Amino acid sequence: DAGVTQSPTHLIKTRGQQVTLRCSPKSGHDTVSWYQQALGQGPQFIFQYYEEEERQRGNFPDRFSGHQFPNYSSELNVNALLLGDSALYLCASSGPGQPSGANVLTFGAGSRLTVL
Amino acid sequence: AQKITQTQPGMFVQEKEAVTLDCTYDTSDPSYGLFWYKQPSSGEMIFLIYQGSYDQQNATEGRYSLNFQKARKSANLVISASQLGDSAMYFCAMREPPFGGKLIFGQGTELSVKP
Repeated sequence: DAGVTQSPTHLIKTRGQQVTLRCSPKSGHDTVSWYQQALGQGPQFIFQYYEEEERQRGNFPDRFSGHQFPNYSSELNVNALLLGDSALYLCASSGPGQPSGANVLTFGAGSRLTVL
Repeated sequence: AQKITQTQPGMFVQEKEAVTLDCTYDTSDPSYGLFWYKQPSSGEMIFLIYQGSYDQQNATEGRYSLNFQKARKSANLVISASQLGDSAMYFCAMREPPFGGKLIFGQGTELSVKP
């Protein structure tokens, strides 16, 4: 049973460019959340998608956007990249339905983005 | 203000001994959930244990137990009989209402298990 899969695993971009990261949730899960983890820090919540809509959003600028497809997979897009966007981007899935209480998030191994 | 505080940046423990990783939290909501995750160098966050704010008993999952002291707002993770494979970063996290995909994580504690 495949868990959460993310691609690419590593990528390098330059300032001002745009990047798209992809996530396939665990089988049976329908909700996807994205997190940014800077070096030496805990993950920070970016946003959550459920039923192809953004349901929750953390304190991130509009340069960060996302999408969820009918098969529940998701993309994270970051425009106008800044040096500070360098981080590990983690995707987490849960379900079925919106996470509540004890509902556990299952994380992928992440996409490591380096902005030069 | 920090909602989740992990005051131990790094910890060492001898193999087969027990270790406690500290976590304190701050919330005014009576309903919340507390989680511990392990992050090995591979990057994937692995769920270890969950404690609900209304749970009467401390959660246990195999070698992991959560020492939940509600009045002190602490949720320490206890790992018994440490193994070399336990060496990793450990994160405490909280979910508040409105419940959803948002977990608030602490800064983490790096645990090193010595043979």
